[in-house]
Amino acid sequence: GDSVTQTEGQVALSEEDFLTIHCNYSASGYPALFWYVQYPGEGPQFLFRASRDKEKGSSRGFEATYNKEATSFHLQKASVQESDSAVYYCALSDPPGNTRKLIFGLGTTLQVQP
Amino acid sequence: VTLLEQNPRWRLVPRGQAVNLRCILKNSQYPWMSWYQQDLQKQLQWLFTLRSPGDKEVKSLPGADYLATRVTDTELRLQVANMSQGRTLYCTCSAQGDYAEQFFGPGTRLTVL
Repeated sequence: GDSVTQTEGQVALSEEDFLTIHCNYSASGYPALFWYVQYPGEGPQFLFRASRDKEKGSSRGFEATYNKEATSFHLQKASVQESDSAVYYCALSDPPGNTRKLIFGLGTTLQVQP
Repeated sequence: VTLLEQNPRWRLVPRGQAVNLRCILKNSQYPWMSWYQQDLQKQLQWLFTLRSPGDKEVKSLPGADYLATRVTDTELRLQVANMSQGRTLYCTCSAQGDYAEQFFGPGTRLTVL
């Protein structure tokens, strides 16, 4: 079945550091890809999506580019802040076009020190 | 603006007892409603999507059995039974159309006694 792999379980950075969280997917079709963020005690929040090859999604300074050849959708931010500390989830829609079912990666906990 | 209301927000569940959860949609522009579970390791898993009143589905997963019902255009329910490990249940809503984002509710946290 379809799946999402996030390489990093935890990332520890200092403010103004550059962030990369790696996300790779496996899918039989042509899925849409998403990033969600979850703060303590809250439900996940939609960050952005991309639905076709080479499309860039972005929000709040975060961005990722859909790479169909590499089956990747890596999250990046140029300069992180303490307030970015949260759990980040990469997800794909399954089946493609039916976004009501999302398949999530295991999540990456980002801790940013002041 | 709060799109979804979930109750209860938390519940202690005696082993072997079922619990009933409710989710209320506050904005009819997002009629596609779903349930997700998040386990103690923070893994998120889709359970159901129910679009129309009267829709009903069941599912058994490791650690719990589920019965979901779309009661009305604005109310979604979930019965959780035979739960052996704690978890959090999230209701979501989304608009019509491909790749529409899903909005998550605040969640209901269940703990097994």
